[in-house]
Parts: sequence; C-alpha cells; structure tokens
Amino acid sequence: QVQLVESGGGVVQPGRSLRLSCVASGFTFSSEGMHWVRQAPGKGLEWVAVIWYDGSNKNYADSVKGRFTISRDNSKNTLYLQLNGLRAEDTAVYYCARAVAGANFFDYWGQGTLVTVSS
Amino acid sequence: DIVMTQTPLSLSVTPGQPASISCKSSQSLLHSDGKTYLYWYLQKPGQSPQVLIYEVSSRFSGVPDRFSGSGSGTDFTLKISRVEAEDVGVYYCMQGIHLWTFGPGTKVEIK
Repeated sequence: QVQLVESGGGVVQPGRSLRLSCVASGFTFSSEGMHWVRQAPGKGLEWVAVIWYDGSNKNYADSVKGRFTISRDNSKNTLYLQLNGLRAEDTAVYYCARAVAGANFFDYWGQGTLVTVSS
Repeated sequence: DIVMTQTPLSLSVTPGQPASISCKSSQSLLHSDGKTYLYWYLQKPGQSPQVLIYEVSSRFSGVPDRFSGSGSGTDFTLKISRVEAEDVGVYYCMQGIHLWTFGPGTKVEIK
C-alpha cells in the first residue's frame, strides 16, 4: 500500500535552516508528482510546493518562494523540502502528498512532521 | 491569486440529518480543457486530510455515497445526505486550476 513518511522536523531558531524528507513506498515514486502542504497549529491547510515526477518543474507558494526549495531523489524514493531563512510564521506540520496522475489534486498524504521556529 | 471562501465555518449536525457546505472561488475554476478543478477534503481529528470529491462531483475511491458534490464556475456545494458520527472533522474545499489554494475549512461536529 502507498506510504509516505516524513521526517526532519524539530525546533529551530529564526533565520536558520532545516531539511525535511519524505520517504515513499508502495508505488512507482519516479512516475508521480509530489507536493508539500503545511498546517500551522490550529489553522487550515496551505499548499507549499510541487515538483514534477522527474524534477523538471517546480512551483512554490508566494509565502515561501526564494526561501524553500523542493527536490527529489528518485533513486532513493525520497522527496525533500529545504527550508531556509525560517520565520515564526513557518511553524507548522508539514505534509508530503502524492499528486494524482493526470489530475490536479493529491490522494495520499503522510502523517506530517512538525517544524517549530522559535528563539 | 485565487481566494477560496467557505460557509458556514462551523456546523453542528444531528446524526442521520443532512449537512451542506458552500465553497466559493474568486475566479472561475473551469479550465479550457473542460474540467473544473474543485476538490473536497476531510481532515478527521488527529489525522491527515483525505480526499472526498474531485472535479466538483466525482467521489474518490472508497468514499461513501452519502457524500456528493455539485456546482460550477465559482460556486460549489458539498452535501452529506445523512451525517454519521465518523464524519466529524474539518472539511476543506481546494482549487487546482492555478497552483493550489484551500478554503478556510468548515468544522463539522455531532450534536
């Protein structure tokens, strides 16, 4: 079955960096686009970034553009999100999610990893 | 940027009764390919979101038929014909025509 397992969250000071990982299994990772979506504590969902199946195309939310970088290693079935210049407002649970082939939504989500930005 | 709004933001429903959630987008979600890129997700307490409806009215695999979606252009509705206890959580609409944006969510609880 499809599984997505995020890791790499933690407590980090403002301005510092963090790299999140999402290990995928149960499907052909190299054939699917992948997303990151976040959720601040007690708040709603915010789409963060998307990467095409082969890494050839990426898009970001305006709130993270220039600070976050999405990437993938298809040989390791792993999706990444590099978070630089972290701000208090980046505090959230970060979910990775699989794009549905040929459609503009996500079907499977991981359990999320919490990033807390605090001094 | 496309802004998504939802009403109501909270809903208390008696089991067995229907429920309805409205979602509006600031721009039409009808694409030139003929598809309308509007989706519905449910986030149950303590869980990751799960997709219920895609492209306005198609139920995702495994979703009970008490859930239905309708609408067009900028106005959409999710209906639950008979609410069950397991339907509690926060319902989000999402657009996917220009990047992705979620609505603020509608919290559904059982009376």
